[in-house]
Amino acid sequence: QEQLVESGGGVVQPGRSLRLSCAASGFTFSSYGMHWVRQAPGKGLEGVAAIWYDGSKKEYVDSVKGRFTVSRDNSKNTLYLQMNSLRAEDTAVYYCASIRGDWGQGTLVTVSS
Amino acid sequence: QSVLTQPPSAAGTPGQRITISCSGSSSNIGNKYVFWYQQLPGTAPKLLIYRNNHRPSGVPDRFSGSKSGTSASLAISGLRSEDEADYYCAAWDDSLSGPVIFGGGTKLTVL
Repeated sequence: QEQLVESGGGVVQPGRSLRLSCAASGFTFSSYGMHWVRQAPGKGLEGVAAIWYDGSKKEYVDSVKGRFTVSRDNSKNTLYLQMNSLRAEDTAVYYCASIRGDWGQGTLVTVSS
Repeated sequence: QSVLTQPPSAAGTPGQRITISCSGSSSNIGNKYVFWYQQLPGTAPKLLIYRNNHRPSGVPDRFSGSKSGTSASLAISGLRSEDEADYYCAAWDDSLSGPVIFGGGTKLTVL
């Protein structure tokens, strides 16, 4: 069965860094583009970053450009999101999702002093 | 303010048919596929419709999607109490150098 499992969330101070991971199983991870999508408390969904199936192209929402980096290791079936210079407004549940339509359960990132 | 515009709320009674609209522009809905997601309270979003009007396996045929010009719609027929959820449309946008964009979401209440 297809599954995506995020990890790495937590409480972090403003200006610090955090790396999220998303482990995929049950489908051919290396064949599909992947997204990171976040949802701030009580708010809607926001696409944060996308990466092509082979990592050749990456896209970011303007608010995270220069601070966040999406990457993947197809040999490990894992997607990553490196988040630097975190801000209070980055507080959200972060979901990884495949373009197939699979979603993880989400991991909460709280940026607070 | 999202690039894709959805009504913030919708309501219907059991058995009724309702539609949720998603309005965009020529750079997104006008020439890109539209996707619809359902988010039940406290859970992760679930893909309901892909490529404008296709249902993944397991999604009941009570759910259907359509697109016309720069607008799209999600229809739910035979409304059930378990359909009470938030619904989001999504699409890529040619004019934005970023990932997929989402509508603001529509909260559906089953009265």
